[in-house]
Amino acid sequence: GQNIDQPTEMTATEGAIVQINCTYQTSGFNGLFWYQQHAGEAPTFLSYNVLDGLEEKGRFSSFLSRSKGYSYLLLKELQMKDSASYLCAAFKQAGTALIFGKGTTLSVSS
Amino acid sequence: ETGVTQTPRHLVMGMTNKKSLKCEQHLGHNAMYWYKQSAKKPLELMFVYNFKEQTENNSVPSRFSPECPNSSHLFLHLHTLQPEDSALYLCASTGGTGGRNYGYTFGSGTRLTVV
Repeated sequence: GQNIDQPTEMTATEGAIVQINCTYQTSGFNGLFWYQQHAGEAPTFLSYNVLDGLEEKGRFSSFLSRSKGYSYLLLKELQMKDSASYLCAAFKQAGTALIFGKGTTLSVSS
Repeated sequence: ETGVTQTPRHLVMGMTNKKSLKCEQHLGHNAMYWYKQSAKKPLELMFVYNFKEQTENNSVPSRFSPECPNSSHLFLHLHTLQPEDSALYLCASTGGTGGRNYGYTFGSGTRLTVV
């Protein structure tokens, strides 16, 4: 089966660090993606992990544990503009379309 | 602009109307997708096209009819929709067959309201 779970909502304050978790079960694994979607806009690519470990890209980092079916997105030095929905996605099965979690709505306050 | 253009951005239609959504990409991508995004629900895969051929129909009702005349254009024809079909319809494209290149480029979506 294919199932991706992530928290529905999170809140944080400017300058803080937040970790958004994602667990997945898919019949084929060929990488895990994180996307950011601001209200009314297209989802945009943030990160891709296929091997275990941490991938760092500026203020954003993404971690993957294939054995645990677990990933997280780490956002540091939060800014108001980081308020958005964060989507976790994995392949339905190898070579086919991505399936998405429900998304985590992050609200950053001052 | 992401490189994937969807029109119209907003659409209000009655249940007896027929309308079409359009998606266009000039990124040289070979695969295009329709997804439906409803509030509080994950993006739902609707249709997949690879090199103009439909390779996946995710049990979508026949009132949604896709068309892919070439690798750059994708349409979603709508007829006799229901109010529960109101949602954001997202088009995406990709040029890879695996790995990082398989990341999608999304359009901004069409916000559809069925009245």
